[in-house]
This record gives sequence, structure tokens and C-alpha cells, in this order.
Amino acid sequence: DAKTTQPNSMESNEEEPVHLPCNHSTISGTDYIHWYRQLPSQGPEYVIHGLTSNVNNRMASLAIAEDRKSSTLILHRATLRDAAVYYCILRDERGTASKLTFGTGTRLQVTL
Amino acid sequence: DAGVTQSPTHLIKTRGQHVTLRCSPISGHKSVSWYQQVLGQGPQFIFQYYEKEERGRGNFPDRFSARQFPNYSSELNVNALLLGDSALYLCASRWGQSSYEQYFGPGTRLTVT
Repeated sequence: DAKTTQPNSMESNEEEPVHLPCNHSTISGTDYIHWYRQLPSQGPEYVIHGLTSNVNNRMASLAIAEDRKSSTLILHRATLRDAAVYYCILRDERGTASKLTFGTGTRLQVTL
Repeated sequence: DAGVTQSPTHLIKTRGQHVTLRCSPISGHKSVSWYQQVLGQGPQFIFQYYEKEERGRGNFPDRFSARQFPNYSSELNVNALLLGDSALYLCASRWGQSSYEQYFGPGTRLTVT
């Protein structure tokens, strides 16, 4: 599976935008970029995914570089409830197994 | 709507024992996956089942096995427990074989002493 690289931790002030980067220089043409987050004492939660174009949903936006070697998850206004570990994952949609290969993620701290 | 449910919530076992963990997917979801999350690390894929057939297996020893029932619920079995099996075991369900979004349960915390 192609590997992703994320900063170990980031901090943000409440109500400010947060940009969480992810590098995936070995991404293949069939890899989708998925983001999940894991709040304390909970299972991971789907955030967003994309292939080539930027994507928006109610939780976040995903900006994908033109060469697809990096992407950025954007939380438009961070709240205390957004404090979590954010995982950037590449998933090959060709295979029959639908596994997600998690890394260590970015721990986001949100302060008042 | 009920999410993915897992039981038990917590479990303490002794080395060498056997354990069975249970998962009920979201109603209508036919695919169940199991993950192991050791403290401080991201979840690691163990198995995926779809329509009661194994569709994927991660790099785990044969001590780990699973099955999916006609109602799409699933069990994860671990034999001959080792201290290193202590972890949070997560179950995730999705509607189809390759649906994009997986829904995770809260997990079962297994402690092996």
C-alpha cells in the first residue's frame, strides 16, 4: 500500500481554520485519498475522500494537489469537538478487499 | 439509527486463553471488517467479510479467525492469547463490498495479563 506522511501533532485556536497536510508521493492512479478522524475513546469516523478534484462536505474540505502527491484537509472553523487524531489514508479501489491502511495520524489540539 | 455495536466493551483475559468478540453492523450493511489498534498506533486491518465470505485478511497469525453470520453480524476469535494481543479491537461496517465510507463501532478493549 502506498504510504502517507503526516505531522505528528498540530495546534489550533477555536473558531480558526485548520489545514492538516498529508504527503503521499508514491500514490498510484487508482488510489483514492480518504480522511478519517478518531475522537478520544471512540472508533474512527469517516470525514471525506477524493480522487483528483477538491471535495467539500458538511464536515470539511479536501484540497488535492494537481500532481496528487499531497493533499490538505481543511476544517473551516475548528471547535473543541474537533480535537482528535486525523488519519490520511490511501485506498486502492481496484482490489476486492476494502481495507484501510492507517498510519499514526496527526493529533489535533484545539484551544480556546 | 443504531450504529455499529460491539460486545463486550472491556475484557480481561489470561495468556493462553481464548476470546470471542462480537459485532453487529448497521442495519442493511453487508460488509464487516475487523481492526486491531494498539495503544499509540493507528488501527491495523485484520479481516474483511462480505456476504458471509472472507474477502480480505491482514498480516495476523492463524490464531486470529472470524466469521460472519446470515444476519451479517460477525465474531472475531483469538486463540492462545499473548500479552501483545492487548489492544482495542474495532469493527467497521459498510453497505457494499467496496462502499467508500466505513462506519466504526466503539471497540472492545482487550487486556491480556
